Amino acid sequence: KNQVEQSPQSLIILEGKNCTLQCNYTVSPFSNLRWYKQDTGRGPVSLTIMTFSENTKSNGRYTATLDADTKQSSLHITASQLSDSASYICVVSDRGSTLGRLYFGRGTQLTVWP
Amino acid sequence: EADIYQTPRYLVIGTGKKITLECSQTMGHDKMYWYQQDPGMELHLIHYSYGVNSTEKGDLSSESTVSRIRTEHFPLTLESARPSHTSQYLCASSGGLSVAYEQYFGPGTRLTVT
Repeated sequence: KNQVEQSPQSLIILEGKNCTLQCNYTVSPFSNLRWYKQDTGRGPVSLTIMTFSENTKSNGRYTATLDADTKQSSLHITASQLSDSASYICVVSDRGSTLGRLYFGRGTQLTVWP
Repeated sequence: EADIYQTPRYLVIGTGKKITLECSQTMGHDKMYWYQQDPGMELHLIHYSYGVNSTEKGDLSSESTVSRIRTEHFPLTLESARPSHTSQYLCASSGGLSVAYEQYFGPGTRLTVT
């Protein structure tokens, strides 16, 4: 069964600190992995998209890594800000159809305290 | 910021009522999607469309129906709302030929059926 598991489920950090969120997946075949940020009451917004051949990608203070061999990804947030408080969702796409079917994790709820 | 809009943003309605959730995008995307998301849970695909006059059911069984008469418009209808339909409904769109296309999400409609 294709699945996407994220950890931790929730995380609280102080402003200015770094943190790393984890994503393990069993989706096969694999096309790409995305990290989305979802603010409360809003739709998800894409942070990064990585294909099989990419093992790291940065977007400002966000850096995603991908190990396609172990089927693991991480999202590292540097120098956290209050506005980083949100749910971070890992999404994996397969190659099995023209739709590029997406498998969603349940997200890690990050809270940044002042 | 993605040009995809959903109305209403919040809706509280009684059991048995017919409702239509609106979704429109101005990006000319051919593919559009409806997802259902409960608090702390992953997004589930309930409907999608490859283009005008094309609609398909997603992974999660839903009593809702959709239509795609115009490229930019993808409304979702519940003929008779029930408390079990209480959830957040997210609309998304994507375009382009690459499998690694980006999905842009609307802000969502939070539906409460009493």
